[in-house]
Amino acid sequence: DAGVTQSPTHLIKTRGQQVTLRCSPISGHKSVSWYQQVLGQGPQFIFQYYEKEERGRGNFPDRFSARQFPNYSSELNVNALLLGDSALYLCASSLSPRGGREQFFGPGTRLTVL
Amino acid sequence: GIQVEQSPPDLILQEGANSTLRCNFSDSVNNLQWFHQNPWGQLINLFYIPSGTKQNGRLSATTVATERYSLLYISSSQTTDSGVYFCAVAGANSKLTFGKGITLSVRP
Repeated sequence: DAGVTQSPTHLIKTRGQQVTLRCSPISGHKSVSWYQQVLGQGPQFIFQYYEKEERGRGNFPDRFSARQFPNYSSELNVNALLLGDSALYLCASSLSPRGGREQFFGPGTRLTVL
Repeated sequence: GIQVEQSPPDLILQEGANSTLRCNFSDSVNNLQWFHQNPWGQLINLFYIPSGTKQNGRLSATTVATERYSLLYISSSQTTDSGVYFCAVAGANSKLTFGKGITLSVRP
């Protein structure tokens, strides 16, 4: 079975631009979460979606938004990019948003903002 | 929110040595996972272990939920074990809180 997939693998943008990252969860998983990992740190929670509804949001500005589609895939959008948005963006899927569910991560999208 | 502390921050081993990585957390959890992050950034699931003990080959893990810590044991280390090891926990929802990671270097 395919694992979590993300696209694109790498992305280079300039300050002020907008970016869209995509994630497809493991088949049968209905919950998708997004994390940001800056160099030298552990991943930080951005959003969680379940059944197309936002179930949780981390401490990120309104420039960050996301949505989930009927097939449970998800997009993360970041507007007005800043240099500090350069990071590895990771998507995770799980069966449900309950805390006791194991999460599985995709390979990530590495975003560089110049 | 839940705080996660991992120790030691860095570990250097000779190939064949054993090691213990520790994860302390500040509140009760419903999920605890250990990951190995490879050089390309992929987080590889090692263990899902909110409580108890599990073993997978040369790796094993123990979580003592009542005392709020977890240990990851690596025996007979190999150079391919090098990388960053993360502990992550979640409470009632599935938001994972990660520690800062432990960087392991195994020398031949």
